[in-house]
Amino acid sequence: TQLLEQSPQFLSIQEGENLTVYCNSSSVFSSLQWYRQEPGEGPVLLVTVVTGGEVKKLKRLTFQFGDARKDSSLHITAAQPGDTGLYLCAGARGTSYGKLTFGQGTILTVHP
Amino acid sequence: GAGVSQSPSNKVTEKGKDVELRCDPISGHTALYWYRQSLGQGLEFLIYFQGNSAPDKSGLPSDRFSAERTGGSVSTLTIQRTQQEDSAVYLCASSHRGAYEQYFGPGTRLTVT
Repeated sequence: TQLLEQSPQFLSIQEGENLTVYCNSSSVFSSLQWYRQEPGEGPVLLVTVVTGGEVKKLKRLTFQFGDARKDSSLHITAAQPGDTGLYLCAGARGTSYGKLTFGQGTILTVHP
Repeated sequence: GAGVSQSPSNKVTEKGKDVELRCDPISGHTALYWYRQSLGQGLEFLIYFQGNSAPDKSGLPSDRFSAERTGGSVSTLTIQRTQQEDSAVYLCASSHRGAYEQYFGPGTRLTVT
């Protein structure tokens, strides 16, 4: 049973399009993080959200944490080929900062 | 400063052999984590060290897996009597105490033949 359900698994779009990736759970998380991973490298942290309803923006990326802290979304505006990669959500429960539960990931391909 | 480093980057071993994977965390980071990433399974938590506290080993899949962290810095993940299902990328990460943000190394790709 996957504690964090991430969707879609695959996303193939044209440059300039918008997209949203979802991360859902029936459990409450104390924090939720989004990472981006490129082939042959480890995941790189994009953002951490800790407050229900929180919205954070990072250039063309907008991250939202659900009010109940059970879900999150990543929205990319005007996607570019450089956004191509594997996007992972990860949650920590209670005070277990280090024990992250990861979603299955979304492989995003942005075509020029 | 240097990031998290892992060695070797690739390891091919025969079924039944033991392997050791090494992780050098970012200097000053007191927390160190091991994860396993395989196709269809995503990223799976294995073990977590925090300072001098007893490690959280709750993610280790079997007693063939063990890890130690010497001097609060370098860590070694050991897999005994490797099986084909152990083939995966093993990722190490480190962080400051109590911090949400984890910094990952490039991983060790283990192939068991």
